[in-house]
Amino acid sequence: NAGVTQTPKFQVLKTGQSMTLQCAQDMNHEYMSWYRQDPGMGLRLIHYSVGAGITDQGEVPNGYNVSRSTTEDFPLRLLSAAPSQTSVYFCASSPGSPETQYFGPGTRLLVL
Amino acid sequence: SQQGEEDPQALSIQEGENATMNCSYKTSINNLQWYRQNSGRGLVHLILIRSNEREKHSGRLRVTLDTSKKSSSLLITASRAADTASYFCLQGAQKLVFGQGTRLTINP
Repeated sequence: NAGVTQTPKFQVLKTGQSMTLQCAQDMNHEYMSWYRQDPGMGLRLIHYSVGAGITDQGEVPNGYNVSRSTTEDFPLRLLSAAPSQTSVYFCASSPGSPETQYFGPGTRLLVL
Repeated sequence: SQQGEEDPQALSIQEGENATMNCSYKTSINNLQWYRQNSGRGLVHLILIRSNEREKHSGRLRVTLDTSKKSSSLLITASRAADTASYFCLQGAQKLVFGQGTRLTINP
């Protein structure tokens, strides 16, 4: 099993550009989520999904969209990147919630 | 905000000493989890304690849970340099939120 994979590992964007951060898991987990972590800070929940076709907002959803068309994939879309979105983004999955979360390695995003 | 609070924010101890960090939360829980993060890398699950448990052990880790006080503590015994990391608690039902974390430094 590859576990939770995230691509890209690192990305530089200009203000106003859009992009999609990819997250995939091969463990048949129903629950998936996205967090952002700013330097020296904890993780804040952006969006989460309890199963295919079901998504909901977390603590800091503004500026981000998600969809869950399959169990395996949970992409995070930045609609119009802003410097405030410079952060490290972590995707996680689990069989259900609240259960042990399996984290991806993260995507480091820099918005200029 | 549902986010819990952790204290201390930073802790520096000598190798071999015990380290204790605390997590408080605001809403009722089914369980509470602790994670470790080394230098901005991915998070590693340490232990999960259910709401009907009061104490749980895993190797040198001991977690307690007091649902009446809405708090949990993580004790690392006989600390090692490799324990240097940030430690976070995670709680919630479907909306899982982290505490702000404790940065632990183990000095040789």
